[in-house]
Amino acid sequence: KQEVTQIPAALSVPEGENLVLNCSFTDSAIYNLQWFRQDPGKGLTSLLLIQSSQREQTSGRLNASLDKSSGRSTLYIAASQPGDSATYLCAVVADKLIFGTGTRLQVFP
Amino acid sequence: NAGVMQNPRHLVRRRGQEARLRCSPMKGHSHVYWYRQLPEEGLKFMVYLQKENIIDESGMPKERFSAEFPKEGPSILRIQQVVRGDSAAYFCASSPPPRGYGDSPLHFGNGTRLTVT
Repeated sequence: KQEVTQIPAALSVPEGENLVLNCSFTDSAIYNLQWFRQDPGKGLTSLLLIQSSQREQTSGRLNASLDKSSGRSTLYIAASQPGDSATYLCAVVADKLIFGTGTRLQVFP
Repeated sequence: NAGVMQNPRHLVRRRGQEARLRCSPMKGHSHVYWYRQLPEEGLKFMVYLQKENIIDESGMPKERFSAEFPKEGPSILRIQQVVRGDSAAYFCASSPPPRGYGDSPLHFGNGTRLTVT
């Protein structure tokens, strides 16, 4: 059974810091891995999708890496801003999309 | 191109009533997924549908819950005889054909927040 874990569960940092959010999964037989952002009371916004054959994807200040063999992905956020405050979810795709429990990020000015 | 549309945004039901949640996928998307997010918990898969076909309902509770995605109109998640434990945010996502999960990112709606009193 696929299990997805995210560490840390919560993170509070001053503006400008570079951040690393971690995601680990137990079954490496995945099609792809997605990172999402969820704002309070809102839906999910897809940030990055990494195919199983890829090692990383970049979008603006975000960079996600994937090491399928070790069951790990990281989301790197450069030069964090207060607007980055949200819950970040990773999800792996095998026969269905399985979500981690998220990292709640707060960036203060 | 409108995103995934869910309605209503908020739904209040008394115990024992029925709740009907609607999801209109993005234009051109024929695959719909329903997820439930309980307070302070992660998103849990419920069901995966194509038009007129349930592909995977392994996450659906065995009783009171049903889902459909008819040839015309939105996908419906139906909860009969609601109980307080059904209070949660229900999210719908869609993706284009034909591979479903494999290559395309899922696009999520803003969810329906169900409160059972």
